[in-house]
Amino acid sequence: AQKVTQAQTEISVVEKEDVTLDCVYETRDTTYYLFWYKQPPSGELVFLIRRNSFDEQNEISGRYSWNFQKSTSSFNFTITASQVVDSAVYFCALSEASSGAGSYQLTFGKGTKLSVIP
Amino acid sequence: DAGVTQSPTHLIKTRGQQVTLRCSPISGHKSVSWYQQVLGQGPQFIFQYYEKEERGRGNFPDRFSARQFPNYSSELNVNALLLGDSALYLCASSLRYNEQFFGPGTRLTVL
Repeated sequence: AQKVTQAQTEISVVEKEDVTLDCVYETRDTTYYLFWYKQPPSGELVFLIRRNSFDEQNEISGRYSWNFQKSTSSFNFTITASQVVDSAVYFCALSEASSGAGSYQLTFGKGTKLSVIP
Repeated sequence: DAGVTQSPTHLIKTRGQQVTLRCSPISGHKSVSWYQQVLGQGPQFIFQYYEKEERGRGNFPDRFSARQFPNYSSELNVNALLLGDSALYLCASSLRYNEQFFGPGTRLTVL
């Protein structure tokens, strides 16, 4: 069965500090997809990134970067020079290609609440 | 382009009642999924529909049902509401199965 663990429940940083959000996943599939979503207080989940299991290349998008390591089943997310607008709950999610009948259901972690203090 | 839209925004019901939540996907998206998010937890998968057919069902009781219409919009129905059904219900649409874009959600409160 698939599982996503986000061990950090809450993190507080001072503005301009770097912060890394951890994500560890479990799956028996060889083909799977990993995601990060941001959920601001408004409640809407905002898609940040998708990674497939065959692409271990790290990715950088502005102040955001992602480190995917299959050897440790981790997909960590780093925000560089954090800003107050980064305050939100961040979710890591996993989708297995073999969910059955063409379903790619997302399994989410419990989320990490990030507070950036001015 | 408009994103995923959901209605209503908020809803208050009493135990035993029935509720219908609605979702319109992003234009061109043929797959719709429903998730339940209880306060303080990550979203939990309820259903996925593609081309009006159910493609996946999560571990929810039969009180939960859904359908997708020819225009790809979707409804989620919950019968015999329980206090534990109070949650944010999120709808997501996707062009392909696995890149899902979420709507703002419907917050259901059961009293």
